[in-house]
Amino acid sequence: GAVVSQHPSRVICKSGTSVKIECRSLDFQATTMFWYRQFPKQSLMLMATSNEGSKATYEQGVEKDKFLINHASLTLSTLTVTSAHPEDSSFYICSARFDRDQPQHFGDGTRLSIL
Amino acid sequence: AQSVAQPEDQVNVAEGNPLTVKCTYSVSGNPYLFWYVQYPNRGLQFLLKYITGDNLVKGSYGFEAEFNKSQTSFHLKKPSALVSDSALYFCAVRDRAGANNLFFGTGTRLTVIP
Repeated sequence: GAVVSQHPSRVICKSGTSVKIECRSLDFQATTMFWYRQFPKQSLMLMATSNEGSKATYEQGVEKDKFLINHASLTLSTLTVTSAHPEDSSFYICSARFDRDQPQHFGDGTRLSIL
Repeated sequence: AQSVAQPEDQVNVAEGNPLTVKCTYSVSGNPYLFWYVQYPNRGLQFLLKYITGDNLVKGSYGFEAEFNKSQTSFHLKKPSALVSDSALYFCAVRDRAGANNLFFGTGTRLTVIP
């Protein structure tokens, strides 16, 4: 149980393109979803936390207009990287949680490469 | 403030030998503690958690961890390592009454040598 599906797994696109990444909880209702960014050989950096039906809470230094997060239902959250540039290239990982006492379950990540 | 320290970037162990991956934490209140494993180009897989109760927690794939409040540690252990255990391991903590999100350590790369 507790499967989180993240799609696409890899994106390669030109600078200036907007890219949408989907994160779905397949067998549970995710009241909270998290978006992380991971740089090579580094830990996960939390970008934002979203609760279903509410605006996302962004971490300090993360541009909310650059990284648009929508958590429209209890099973789906999306991250849109707007007008992506090469410095946005990274591994983006989502996670979902049913409630505060439960562990977060992670998607398989999306490797974004901006040319 | 919450933080996690994984003092070893790399741990090497021979197949069949016991393994330990170290983790110490700092929270202002009572901790929720987690271990995750990451394989190349994949997300994190949940291994085990400590919320309350027995200090020795058993998780997936034969892994276990012991919560030690006095030493603020939550080391991951396995009695007999497999080559397939080779991966990147992350310890994470959350203050039970505090922040909504997890704080991750920097990860420890475990290599099991055949």
